[in-house]
Amino acid sequence: AQSVTQLDSQVPVFEEAPVELRCNYSSSVSVYLFWYVQYPNQGLQLLLKYLSGSTLVKGINGFEAEFNKSQTSFHLRKPSVHISDTAEYFCAVLQRNTPLVFGKGTRLSVIA
Amino acid sequence: DAGVIQSPRHEVTEMGQEVTLRCKLISGHNSLFWYRQTMMRGLELLIYFNNNVPIDDSGMPEDRFSAKMPNASFSTLKIQPSEPRDSAVYFCASSFPVTGRWEAFFGQGTRLTVV
Repeated sequence: AQSVTQLDSQVPVFEEAPVELRCNYSSSVSVYLFWYVQYPNQGLQLLLKYLSGSTLVKGINGFEAEFNKSQTSFHLRKPSVHISDTAEYFCAVLQRNTPLVFGKGTRLSVIA
Repeated sequence: DAGVIQSPRHEVTEMGQEVTLRCKLISGHNSLFWYRQTMMRGLELLIYFNNNVPIDDSGMPEDRFSAKMPNASFSTLKIQPSEPRDSAVYFCASSFPVTGRWEAFFGQGTRLTVV
């Protein structure tokens, strides 16, 4: 079965600094990869997705992620974070015709 | 599009009572997922449906939990009897994979507290 590992449960970062949230997945077969963001008391919102094609994927709010098949990773990056980016971020993976499997989440705290 | 709609947003109930959570899918979507979120376990898939048919309910904790899709646009998750350890946020999500859009769209969640 698929599994997703988010290596950091909490990441504090100063405003305007860059950030990377790490994600590794278990399977080497064809998968689709996603990052979701959850603001307090909200549902999950899609940030970006990798289905095929270019390994560098750009999403909303200035985030991007890079798919690395050899390292089975899909790390999320932003060159300059804002206070409003404070939220929980979830990496997820699915194979065709199976549901999304989520990581445990990474809580990003942006410090003024 | 109104998105996935869940009701109620908050539910507080006493142990032993029946609880019913409701979900309206995005129009045209044919896959439906129920997830539970807790601090300890993160996001767990409870059950998912495809074209109204339950495909995998192995995540349902025990027989006290049941889920139905009485029609293509609506689902319920019932807990009877409820216990304090069922306290969590329950999310419903839908998708329409045949279009190649594999991502799931989430509702706002129902925060359940069992006292």
